[in-house]
Amino acid sequence: GAGVSQSPSNKVTEKGKDVELRCDPISGHTALYWYRQSLGQGLEFLIYFQGNSAPDKSGLPSDRFSAERTGGSVSTLTIQRTQQEDSAVYLCASSLAGQTNQPQHFGDGTRLSIL
Amino acid sequence: AQSVTQLDSHVSVSEGTPVLLRCNYSSSYSPSLFWYVQHPNKGLQLLLKYTSAATLVKGINGFEAEFKKSETSFHLTKPSAHMSDAAEYFCVVKGNTGFQKLVFGTGTRLLVSP
Repeated sequence: GAGVSQSPSNKVTEKGKDVELRCDPISGHTALYWYRQSLGQGLEFLIYFQGNSAPDKSGLPSDRFSAERTGGSVSTLTIQRTQQEDSAVYLCASSLAGQTNQPQHFGDGTRLSIL
Repeated sequence: AQSVTQLDSHVSVSEGTPVLLRCNYSSSYSPSLFWYVQHPNKGLQLLLKYTSAATLVKGINGFEAEFKKSETSFHLTKPSAHMSDAAEYFCVVKGNTGFQKLVFGTGTRLLVSP
């Protein structure tokens, strides 16, 4: 079956612009996660959705970052007024449920470059 | 709080020789442990997981890992390396109470030479 789908695969934008990153999870997966992978920081958790609500958004680095999920499916991560330090690969993952040991399945990521 | 330490940033092996990627964990709870692999420009693929059942866990592509509580280790092994195994490997820990986010190690890059 289809895996986690992320778009765009690459995004280059100028500093100060807003960007939207999209994640389409595996069908039937109620839990969705966003991570950021950057040089020097490794993989960092950003936010977790269970259905449409976000019980844990502790990893969002600043108020320029926000995410939403609608219909218990697609999620959008929005970064406003981008800065160069936002350059990273943004990974999305989904799992059957969040509070169990179900493994998380990852998309290929969006590589974001801020000029 | 949970954490993992991957002891080697790079490991180099020859094709056909054994692979050992080391991981030590720290957890207040009985943890779930995972190994993920990432090939260039790709997302992370689950290799195997430990969730308090058998301590020796077999994964995909001939990889396996052994959970050793006394040593707080979860090392990844493979008897014979293949060129296609060259990638970045992440040891990951997750707590078993409520929602616990995945906590990733810093990764080990496996290099396989012919």
